[in-house]
Amino acid sequence: EAQVTQNPRYLITVTGKKLTVTCSQNMNHEYMSWYRQDPGLGLRQIYYSMNVEVTDKGDVPEGYKVSRKEKRNFPLILESPSPNQTSLYFCASSPLTSGSEETQYFGPGTRLLVL
Amino acid sequence: DQQVKQNSPSLSVQEGRISILNCDYTNSMFDYFLWYKKYPAEGPTFLISISSIKDKNEDGRFTVFLNKSAKHLSLHIVPSQPGDSAVYFCAASLGYNFNKFYFGSGTKLNVKP
Repeated sequence: EAQVTQNPRYLITVTGKKLTVTCSQNMNHEYMSWYRQDPGLGLRQIYYSMNVEVTDKGDVPEGYKVSRKEKRNFPLILESPSPNQTSLYFCASSPLTSGSEETQYFGPGTRLLVL
Repeated sequence: DQQVKQNSPSLSVQEGRISILNCDYTNSMFDYFLWYKKYPAEGPTFLISISSIKDKNEDGRFTVFLNKSAKHLSLHIVPSQPGDSAVYFCAASLGYNFNKFYFGSGTKLNVKP
C-alpha cells in the first residue's frame, strides 16, 4: 500500500530534550516536506526537499533541522524543543512532475507536546 | 502575515444543497492552487487543483473557480453529502515544480442529513 508513515504518532517531551520525528514514504517520490498545523494558522511549511541531499527552508524553519540521506526518509529534528513547538506535524511527499496535477500525499500526523 | 486566507472558520449546509468554500490570497505570483480535505486524526488528502492559466476545474461533484483579478478562489460541492463533513484547506504554490506551499487556516464544513 502506497503511504507516508510517521513515528511516533504522539510524543510528550520536556524543553531542551532533543527529539527526532521520522517520516518514510514507499512511493519513490522525489519531493518531501514537513508542515506544522496550529489552530487559526492552518498548515505552515517547515522544510522541504526536492531530492536526496537537497533541502530548503519553508515558511517557519526556526528551531528545526532536517536531513535527506535516502530518498524514502526525511526525519525532522528538534535539537532543543521549546513549548512553542507544541503542534501537530505532518510529513508529505510528492513526485516531481512539472505541469501535472500530482499533489502531495500526507502522513497521519505526529502530535507533539513540549512541556 | 498569511498569504492565503480562509475567512470562514466554519460552514453548515443541508445535505443535497451546494457548499461554497472561499479562499483569498495576496501573492500575485502564486500559479497553482489546491484544495485538501482533512478528517480528524488523519492527514490532509488532495481534492482538486487549478493552475493559474485556467479559471475553472471540475471533478465530479467538486468544482474550483479561480478569479485572478480578485485573487480569490472558491470550491463548490454539489450536491453536498454528509461524508463531505471535514476541514477544507486551500493552498497555493509558487511553481509547478512543487517547492514552497502556503495553506489557509481551513474551513470546517458540516453537512447536515
